[in-house]
Amino acid sequence: GAGVSQTPSNKVTEKGKYVELRCDPISGHTALYWYRQSLGQGPEFLIYFQGTGAADDSGLPNDRFFAVRPEGSVSTLKIQRTERGDSAVYLCASSLNSLAGGSGELFFGEGSRLTVL
Amino acid sequence: LAKTTQPISMDSYEGQEVNITCSHNNIATNDYITWYQQFPSQGPRFIIQGYKTKVTNEVASLFIPADRKSSTLSLPRVSLSDTAVYYCLVGGPNYGGSQGNLIFGKGTKLSVKP
Repeated sequence: GAGVSQTPSNKVTEKGKYVELRCDPISGHTALYWYRQSLGQGPEFLIYFQGTGAADDSGLPNDRFFAVRPEGSVSTLKIQRTERGDSAVYLCASSLNSLAGGSGELFFGEGSRLTVL
Repeated sequence: LAKTTQPISMDSYEGQEVNITCSHNNIATNDYITWYQQFPSQGPRFIIQGYKTKVTNEVASLFIPADRKSSTLSLPRVSLSDTAVYYCLVGGPNYGGSQGNLIFGKGTKLSVKP
């Protein structure tokens, strides 16, 4: 597709379960970002990948959260032992290269809405 | 990383020009200023980006004074469909490196009325 694709669009799970959220960036985009957004708040940075490596994971709230991008394209955000406070919309964005801050833009997906009961 | 401050909300009427100002007092020399628009149940969408003076595209204009401690997003002749949250971000040209964590604030909720 032409844009950033995120699956699933909605996920309902029970407290304590394991969840995976997938992001398929725009083809050729080397930079990939994960954000989390709660109702009424701006997106909160979680982690940034440049290629296959996590260049900045300072936003991951705790060790229950982990993200991978093994081939430098698709990324998976993994949440272990989910808690009710993890409920939010998880947004993925990609950009053409690491210089996007100066001359480019982030392209966001529609998000994955996670609800932990 | 530079912190940004924006009004929480603004109201306008169709056909009016809307100006949203963002303060970023500790902006760094290499930082650019970028604005995003977000509709409910959608991801943010890039509007405009600039470094200094004025930038204009088909959607908006961005005014940046010489000291770069603030910026103003100008939306000409808004319509109902411009009702959205608008975010101002600052970041350096290499923010993809150690400065990867682009910070979104709470944004400005713009409500356009008929």
